[in-house]
Amino acid sequence: EIVLTQSPGTLSLSPGERATLSCRASQSVRNSYLAWYQQKPGQAPRLLIYGASSRATGIPDRFSGSGSGTDFTLTISRLESEDFAVYYCQQYGSSPWTFGQGTKVEIK
Amino acid sequence: EVQLVQSGAEVRKPGESLKISCKASGYTFSNYWIAWVRQMPGKGLEWMGIIYPGDSDTRYSPSFQGQVTISADKSISTAYLQWSSLQASDTAIFYCARPLVAGSFDAFDMWGQGTMVTVSS
Repeated sequence: EIVLTQSPGTLSLSPGERATLSCRASQSVRNSYLAWYQQKPGQAPRLLIYGASSRATGIPDRFSGSGSGTDFTLTISRLESEDFAVYYCQQYGSSPWTFGQGTKVEIK
Repeated sequence: EVQLVQSGAEVRKPGESLKISCKASGYTFSNYWIAWVRQMPGKGLEWMGIIYPGDSDTRYSPSFQGQVTISADKSISTAYLQWSSLQASDTAIFYCARPLVAGSFDAFDMWGQGTMVTVSS
């Protein structure tokens, strides 16, 4: 089973700042099948990025993903108020599919 | 409009059985895998398993194998998650989710609203 470790656990930033979230895999993620999701309280997760770097439909271009192998990054170029949430990475290259433990982006 | 609509919140006692549902609409149900994801209170997401309604091919996470049963009825475009004997540790929100691409294991771009299951004596 591939273990995904996200860092940091919590990121305290102000609106307008840049957010950089990390997701490290215990072994290489096949074909860069790595996704990022955003979850707000009381809501289902929302797909942001798939295939490590492709934005899902309707996702603003301030969200970008990069990486391959075992190291992946989600970058939010300029935080807006609606971006404060919890972010999860997920690999779907090897069964069982696994999620990281999440990074909370909070208002500083 | 593509939608996954889950059944409502449930409260059960330990040892009881339960089956929750996820009804799909707006696409060909048989052609897409459907997954179930658990979120325990205040915790992260855990992938439980996945089913292909077209032929009922089902895969489970080792963590959930033998603990739950995933099924689907393609005649009514509905997937199910069931327990034969609930435990307090099954208290969680359960989401169904559909991948981006038909017939493929892919990221989940469509999610149900979640079903809260509470198990308490």
